[in-house]
Amino acid sequence: QKEVEQNSGPLSVPEGAIASLNCTYSDRGSQSFFWYRQYSGKSPELIMFIYSNGDKEDGRFTAQLNKASQYVSLLIRDSQPSDSATYLCAVNEAAGNKLTFGGGTRVLVKP
Amino acid sequence: ETGVTQTPRHLVMGMTNKKSLKCEQHLGHNAMYWYKQSAKKPLELMFVYNFKEQTENNSVPSRFSPECPNSSHLFLHLHTLQPEDSALYLCASSQERYTEAFFGQGTRLTVV
Repeated sequence: QKEVEQNSGPLSVPEGAIASLNCTYSDRGSQSFFWYRQYSGKSPELIMFIYSNGDKEDGRFTAQLNKASQYVSLLIRDSQPSDSATYLCAVNEAAGNKLTFGGGTRVLVKP
Repeated sequence: ETGVTQTPRHLVMGMTNKKSLKCEQHLGHNAMYWYKQSAKKPLELMFVYNFKEQTENNSVPSRFSPECPNSSHLFLHLHTLQPEDSALYLCASSQERYTEAFFGQGTRLTVV
């Protein structure tokens, strides 16, 4: 059973601080990694994807991938109350070519 | 107009009813998906269509029946559902199978 694990949270972050979210996966052959943001009652929204080891930055978001350690993380800089949401990690498992989602981490940004 | 559109947004149905969920994507993508999201559980993949052909059925009960008449449209036909089938049903599409996927707004289904 391929798994994608996330801490469910909530992760409480003061406004303006950095939120750090982690995701681990079990399939060592995984190739593609995605972060989605989901507001309560809404559908997931793609915010980042990363394919190669290292960092990828997009605005206030940075995705970090370490395939050797099988984890992918998301940093949110200068956190805003509007960043309060559940963040879903998704991994494309190479063997079954299947996109598997983690359970999500709830982030609360407090003014 | 959003890239992936789902209708209806909300649906309440009895266990003996038959209803259908509709999904339409305007992104020119070749792959479409149905996901189920229940409270406190990760997103569950139900069905995958690639170039109108069903490529995956994730052990979904036969009371859920998908249909993909073309690359832009996807349906989920529902019949004799159970209360535990109440959930948010999400449609998604991607250019290729399992590349970055874009979701519709979902249908909140309640089975009574």
